[in-house]
Amino acid sequence: SAVISQKPSRDICQRGTSLTIQCQVDSQVTMMFWYRQQPGQSLTLIATANQGSEATYESGFVIDKFPISRPNLTFSTLTVSNMSPEDSSIYLCSAETSEKTQYFGPGTRLLVL
Amino acid sequence: LAKTTQPISMDSYEGQEVNITCSHNNIATNDYITWYQQFPSQGPRFIIQGYKTKVTNEVASLFIPADRKSSTLSLPRVSLSDTAVYYCLVARVSSGSARQLTFGSGTQLTVLP
Repeated sequence: SAVISQKPSRDICQRGTSLTIQCQVDSQVTMMFWYRQQPGQSLTLIATANQGSEATYESGFVIDKFPISRPNLTFSTLTVSNMSPEDSSIYLCSAETSEKTQYFGPGTRLLVL
Repeated sequence: LAKTTQPISMDSYEGQEVNITCSHNNIATNDYITWYQQFPSQGPRFIIQGYKTKVTNEVASLFIPADRKSSTLSLPRVSLSDTAVYYCLVARVSSGSARQLTFGSGTQLTVLP
């Protein structure tokens, strides 16, 4: 298994600002992912964070809005840029183990005013 | 991408066995199936993962028929603390290390005393 931590756990931000969310895994993993989850809804994949190369974004998500870093095999960051109230959501990171099982962090609850 | 369908909600009583089915009609040969449990304000927690036939661990069983177009999560003797949302995930390994990930819409299980 993998244990994943995220920082911050929650934040309240002003529109037009940016927030960087950190994700730390307790072991080296090949694949890390970032998701968004609106209250009461399922998870939507934002992007795959690739170590040593640019992230792979899903349809509807772009690098300028959600830049991602993956400097090593245990850490990744997601930045939510130029925020608007529509970006209020829960952001989750996950990591895939060698058994192809994804484990999730506790999430970051973001409120944009 | 595999499209997944789950019941929106289910009710059960303490001590009963609960079966939650996820339909994934266009699942591909290399896709694997994972189930998660999510409590409010927490990240999804891994329950069980399988590719075909039956998998059992200390908390649940996963039944996958030969055509793999559905999967059933079985929770034996549920308790009040099993009240949560349950998600199925179909993950496809694409070329290289890419993943196509499709979460179901989630099933709210309510366990009654």
